[in-house]
Order: sequence, then C-alpha cells, then structure tokens
Amino acid sequence: DTGVSQDPRHKITKRGQNVTFRCDPISEHNRLYWYRQTLGQGPEFLTYFQNEAQLEKSRLLSDRFSAERPKGSFSTLEIQRTEQGDSAMYLCASSSSLKSTEAFFGQGTRLTVV
Amino acid sequence: AQKITQTQPGMFVQEKEAVTLDCTYDTSDQSYGLFWYKQPSSGEMIFLIYQGSYDEQNATEGRYSLNFQKARKSANLVISASQLGDSAMYFCAMREFLSGGYQKVTFGTGTKLQVIP
Repeated sequence: DTGVSQDPRHKITKRGQNVTFRCDPISEHNRLYWYRQTLGQGPEFLTYFQNEAQLEKSRLLSDRFSAERPKGSFSTLEIQRTEQGDSAMYLCASSSSLKSTEAFFGQGTRLTVV
Repeated sequence: AQKITQTQPGMFVQEKEAVTLDCTYDTSDQSYGLFWYKQPSSGEMIFLIYQGSYDEQNATEGRYSLNFQKARKSANLVISASQLGDSAMYFCAMREFLSGGYQKVTFGTGTKLQVIP
C-alpha cells in the first residue's frame, strides 16, 4: 500500500448530472476525510469518518452531497445534480488514531462541471 | 472558531538560500496542532511538519523547521538550502480537537514558493 488513492483523477460532467468519486485510504488508517479545494484557496473540510461512522459534516456539504464508507475501508463521495459551482479539486485524506499527527492526502479528483 | 492567515501569496527564493513562509493563527483552544503541507502542481498534498501546542521545542524535519511562537500565535515554516523541487504551494493548517476523538483541520490560503536557479 503506497498511499491514499483517488479515482478518477479528472472528471468532466454536464450540469445536472450525478458524479461519484472513490477514495482508498492507507489500509491501516481508521480515519478518513474529504476536502474540497477551489482555485487559489486552501482545502475546505467537507466530512470525516472514523471507521464506517460519519462523525462530522461541514455546512458546505449541501443535501446534494453524500459520502459513505460502508465497510470502514474505501469511501465514496457522490454529488447529485451537479452545478458549475461544484467545480473543484476533491481531496481525500486518511490518518490513524494511533499516530494522529500525520494525515496523508491522495492526489485528488478534479471535477469540472460544464 | 479557528482561523489561519498566510499573508504571502507568493515568494521567490534563490536556490540554496533559506526562506521563511509566514503563518499566523487564531484559536481559543489550549490544545491544538499546526501543520505545514506542500502541494506541487500535481495536486497532491504532502505532509511536511507538525507542531503540537504543548511542544516546547520547535519541530524539525530535515530541511524543514517550524518556528513556533505561541504568544504571538505564529507558526512560520523555514526551508533551509532551497532546492528547485521546493517550488510549490505551501499550506499552513491548524487542527482543532473535538469530541469523540475527531480532529477538524482548517487550512490557510497558501503561499506559492518559486525557487530560482
């Protein structure tokens, strides 16, 4: 396991379509985070999982956004009825509660809504 | 509420020279953590260094050191002997400890560092 992997790396979709992104964390990490990063900004927190439980959601996460981590391993982030404002880089990160001073990020999924 | 401020949108440094990237923060918490991440053009966020609020010594990781001044609420990153591969965006971030072991991390807006040959 070489790190956090995200799929796809790039996604172009038409406004109104649904999209789903996948994140595979480092295998022994029980904590998983989703962030959104728009151009020129730092990442903004979206949601957090500890094992399979979604413990925190940002107000940024409208009802069009849903995230799951059904078996406490990989996670999916779905955006329904995409809008142009959803265009951003979506980053996933994972960490271990045993060594919580480090969080490792994936390379992100860049979403473009046209 | 936490806030991270990075006032330098862009910085230039000559190769092999040292550079300091500024970061100030605001929190009412007594226990918190400060991170620096590097984001090259490929988009991946690379962890560089961490400082806990109760750590008395400044953190160091190879060529990276964190100049932690708690009273001034600053956590500047110092990169010694800059290399061309250091050219990237650098983000300062702060971790807030919430109930249930959850940690929320807030990022600054970043500083773009360019190393000149």
